[in-house]
Amino acid sequence: DTGVSQNPRHKITKRGQNVTFRCDPISEHNRLYWYRQTLGQGPEFLTYFQNEAQLEKSRLLSDRFSAERPKGSFSTLEIQRTEQGDSAMYLCASSRPFRGLAGGNEQFFGPGTRLTVL
Amino acid sequence: AQTVTQSQPEMSVQEAETVTLSCTYDTSESDYYLFWYKQPPSRQMILVIRQEAYKQQNATENRFSVNFQKAAKSFSLKISDSQLGDAAMYFCAYRSDKAAGNKLTFGGGTRVLVKP
Repeated sequence: DTGVSQNPRHKITKRGQNVTFRCDPISEHNRLYWYRQTLGQGPEFLTYFQNEAQLEKSRLLSDRFSAERPKGSFSTLEIQRTEQGDSAMYLCASSRPFRGLAGGNEQFFGPGTRLTVL
Repeated sequence: AQTVTQSQPEMSVQEAETVTLSCTYDTSESDYYLFWYKQPPSRQMILVIRQEAYKQQNATENRFSVNFQKAAKSFSLKISDSQLGDAAMYFCAYRSDKAAGNKLTFGGGTRVLVKP
């Protein structure tokens, strides 16, 4: 399977602990996105990378959140000092380079990491 | 900022019947893409159908078709001949053609239930 993979699939942690999630995009996809989806809601954009450069961050991404993509391949999302409000599904998506109006590059999503903060 | 609204939290349809999901959006841009994504229970989100704003013709993908009304900023999804496997959350999404990164802005979703 060459789709987007995310690990772990589920994470339960206690408030105040740090957690780290990993996303492996489809190979040759240079763009990688992180979204957060709370229960019963649509996903919300957090941040995106083009290769190893983090080019945009949502204001949802507080100082406790940090994302990296060190070699332009896999990415990690770390949440420090977790709070109960961080409980959500964290989705990763990847896409090919954008090629203009005719491109319409599709974002392919991973299965997500469900975080529960007790 | 763009917003996407799905006013139907849940829709129920009989197997083999047709259901239409509503989506409205707000934008000041003229070039953009609209999408419908399907998220089955405990499974990853997949793209159902895509519409380019510059195209007047409505997109179709097998049993799925859209009614794109650019002036009204409306983008509904019609599922024909509904199957049990169509049961899922459906999300309408907007993507700017000009903003860097091409992030997706999603609506709140509509749950589709298919009755056998």
